[in-house]
Parts: sequence; structure tokens; C-alpha cells
Amino acid sequence: AQSVTQPDARVTVSEGASLQLRCKYSYSATPYLFWYVQYPRQGLQMLLKYYSGDPVVQGVNGFEAEFSKSDSSFHLRKASVHWSDSAVYFCAGGGSSFNKLTFGAGTRLAVCP
Amino acid sequence: GGIITQTPKFLIGQEGQKLTLKCQQNFNHDTMYWYRQDSGKGLRLIYYSITENDLQKGDLSEGYDASREKKSSFSLTVTSAQKNEMAVFLCASSIGTGDTGQLYFGEGSKLTVL
Repeated sequence: AQSVTQPDARVTVSEGASLQLRCKYSYSATPYLFWYVQYPRQGLQMLLKYYSGDPVVQGVNGFEAEFSKSDSSFHLRKASVHWSDSAVYFCAGGGSSFNKLTFGAGTRLAVCP
Repeated sequence: GGIITQTPKFLIGQEGQKLTLKCQQNFNHDTMYWYRQDSGKGLRLIYYSITENDLQKGDLSEGYDASREKKSSFSLTVTSAQKNEMAVFLCASSIGTGDTGQLYFGEGSKLTVL
């Protein structure tokens, strides 16, 4: 079965530190992969997406993610986090149809001053 | 830019009650979605619609009905609310033809069943 797993329910980092949020996928073929962010009292917003090509994709607000076929992963990274990055981050994957994205359980990021 | 408006933001119901959530979008998008968000379980697709009057079941459609009478609106009905149920329902839309997979979400409707 197709699935997306985010192994970390909560991550806490200090402001200015680097960040990695983990995402593992299980698909029979290379999936389309996304990272979405949900700020408090807001809807989800897309940060970045991967379809094919360069495994490192750049997103908004300094975020990037790297696709790895060998590791079945699509980890999200940021070089230096800001307190405003505190939010819930969702990894999502899709097969042949964009209409049925599978979302991970989400990782709640807390950035401490 | 556009916006997705969900009403009501908070909905409190009784066990067995039929409850309806509404969603409006002004993106002029073809496809609309309803997701359920439970703590620790991510988002699960309930229904989606690729055009007016179309309905497609997601993984969690049992216990729900949906309606897409206009391109801009998509409603979801909980047919019989379950006691102690608590969840957030998220409406989303996407372009449709030429879709890139980017979904635009509303702020959510929080359901509490007493």
C-alpha cells in the first residue's frame, strides 16, 4: 500500500539552528512528493514539491528538500530557523493522480528563542 | 489571489445528529476536496469532486455525504454524528486540468460531538 511516514511527532530546535524534518515514502513507482506547512489558525500551504529531475528542490522561506530513491526519503531542511517557523509540517505523496494525495501524520516544530 | 471560506468554523452537535459543513472558493478551481484531520493521524481524504455535480469517494467516505451543486461550493454532511467525536475538517481546491498537485486549503471547521 502507498504510504507516507513522518517518524517524528514533535521536534524542538533553537532559533538560528539548522533543521531537518524526516519523511519516508512507500510507493511502487517514484511518487510526486510535497511538503505543506500549517501555521496556527491557518490552512495548509505548500512549501515545495518534487516531480522529477534534480533531487534537491527549493521552496519558500529558505526551505529545501532532498529526494532519495535509495532511502525512500524526502527530508525537509532549513539552514537557520526563525521563531516564526513554528508550525506543523506535513509530508504528502501522490501516485498517478494528484487527486489522491496521501499525507503523513505531521511533525510539530517548536522553535525556542 | 483567492480564498477558501469554510463555515461554520466551530460546530457542536449531538450524537446521531446530521451536520453540514460548507466550503466556498473563488479561485475558479475545478477540483475540490474534503479532508478530515485527526490529531496524530494526518489528513485523510473523505470526498473530492473534479467538476460541478461530480463526486468521488476518498478513503474515509463512510458516514459522510457530499454535494457539489456549483463550481464554487462543496458541502459535506456528517450523516450521524458519533458521540465524543472530535476532528477538524479541511476543505481544499486545486486547478483541475493541468493540475500540479498544489492544493489550497481553508482554515478548517472544528467538530465536537457531545
